[in-house]
Amino acid sequence: GAGVSQTPSNKVTEKGKYVELRCDPISGHTALYWYRQSLGQGPEFLIYFQGTGAADDSGLPNDRFFAVRPEGSVSTLKIQRTERGDSAVYLCASSEQQGYIQYFGAGTRLSVL
Amino acid sequence: QKEVEQNSGPLSVPEGAIASLNCTYSDRGSQSFFWYRQYSGKSPELIMFIYSNGDKEDGRFTAQLNKASQYVSLLIRDSQPSDSATYLCAVILSGGYNKLIFGAGTRLAVHP
Repeated sequence: GAGVSQTPSNKVTEKGKYVELRCDPISGHTALYWYRQSLGQGPEFLIYFQGTGAADDSGLPNDRFFAVRPEGSVSTLKIQRTERGDSAVYLCASSEQQGYIQYFGAGTRLSVL
Repeated sequence: QKEVEQNSGPLSVPEGAIASLNCTYSDRGSQSFFWYRQYSGKSPELIMFIYSNGDKEDGRFTAQLNKASQYVSLLIRDSQPSDSATYLCAVILSGGYNKLIFGAGTRLAVHP
């Protein structure tokens, strides 16, 4: 079966613009996670969904970042007024339910010029 | 103190040798521990997970957990050049909703 799918694979934008990053989890996985990875660092947690609701958004750096998962499947991470410091690889992971193994997508590399 | 710490490396080992990767964590209540492998420009791939004290073996890989000392290690036997990658240690903290807390990773280089 298909793994976690993330689109686009690369996104280049200008400072101040709005971007949306999409994650399509493994079919049947109820838990979905967003992480951000900067060069030379491990992934950093952003937000966790169980079903449609955000169970833990403690990792979102500020109110420019927002994520939704309206139907409990696909999730979109939205970044407003992008800054150069937002440049990173944004990783999505899903798992069968809380407590199970997380499988990662290939990530979206965001570059803010 | 970082929640999960790893030596950044690079750790360089000859082909066929045992590579030993170490990780320490600060939250004594942590219950679940994971090792992910990440090739350059690729996403993390789960190698091993361990929940109980002691050793867990899977093929050439052995994960070791010592909760009293708060460290977890990964041994790779008969290292191959294809094992060259960054190895990320990740921990689920107590009460952490299963969000993974990662170390910065250890870069492993296996030379022929």
